[in-house]
Amino acid sequence: KAGVTQTPRYLIKTRGQQVTLSCSPISGHRSVSWYQQTPGQGLQFLFEYFSETQRNKGNFPGRFSGRQFSNSRSEMNVSTLELGDSALYLCASSLTSGGATDTQYFGPGTRLTVL
Amino acid sequence: LAKTTQPISMDSYEGQEVNITCSHNNIATNDYITWYQQFPSQGPRFIIQGYKTKVTNEVASLFIPADRKSSTLSLPRVSLSDTAVYYCLVGANNTDKLIFGTGTRLQVFP
Repeated sequence: KAGVTQTPRYLIKTRGQQVTLSCSPISGHRSVSWYQQTPGQGLQFLFEYFSETQRNKGNFPGRFSGRQFSNSRSEMNVSTLELGDSALYLCASSLTSGGATDTQYFGPGTRLTVL
Repeated sequence: LAKTTQPISMDSYEGQEVNITCSHNNIATNDYITWYQQFPSQGPRFIIQGYKTKVTNEVASLFIPADRKSSTLSLPRVSLSDTAVYYCLVGANNTDKLIFGTGTRLQVFP
């Protein structure tokens, strides 16, 4: 069974631009969660989608948004990029929930660099 | 969500057993304890999960004392490829979002 895939793997943008990252979960998985990882803040939860509905949200500004499609694929968008948005963005899928008791399967991540 | 505390780093040598302890004094009755492993520039990978006593799988063992205020991940006979960051997470059912702490950076030497 194919794992979680994320595209693109690497991205370079400039301040003020916007970016869209894509995540394809493992087949059959209905929950998709997004995380931001930086050396200073570690792994931080962004949001979780289940059946096209955002079910949980972390403490990030409104510039960070996401959505999930009927086939469970998910996208996250960051508008008006700032230097501090440079990070590894990770997507995780799980069978039924993005919660603490459901095994999360992480993708390889998208490395975003904002210049 | 219960807060977790782990050592920042640990060193070991190949072939040794490594025990990483996580403290979670405020663990709730419904909380489970889960450990993830992360290699550089990769997403975390699930290792093991437990609620109480001992859980063992092909990769590791998880020891949880009766009061559940701490847990210990045990990696038998580590190899160089076990060099990674290990995260302890505590949470309940399917509504608690995953909160990753700082993790424990394990360095295995030859």
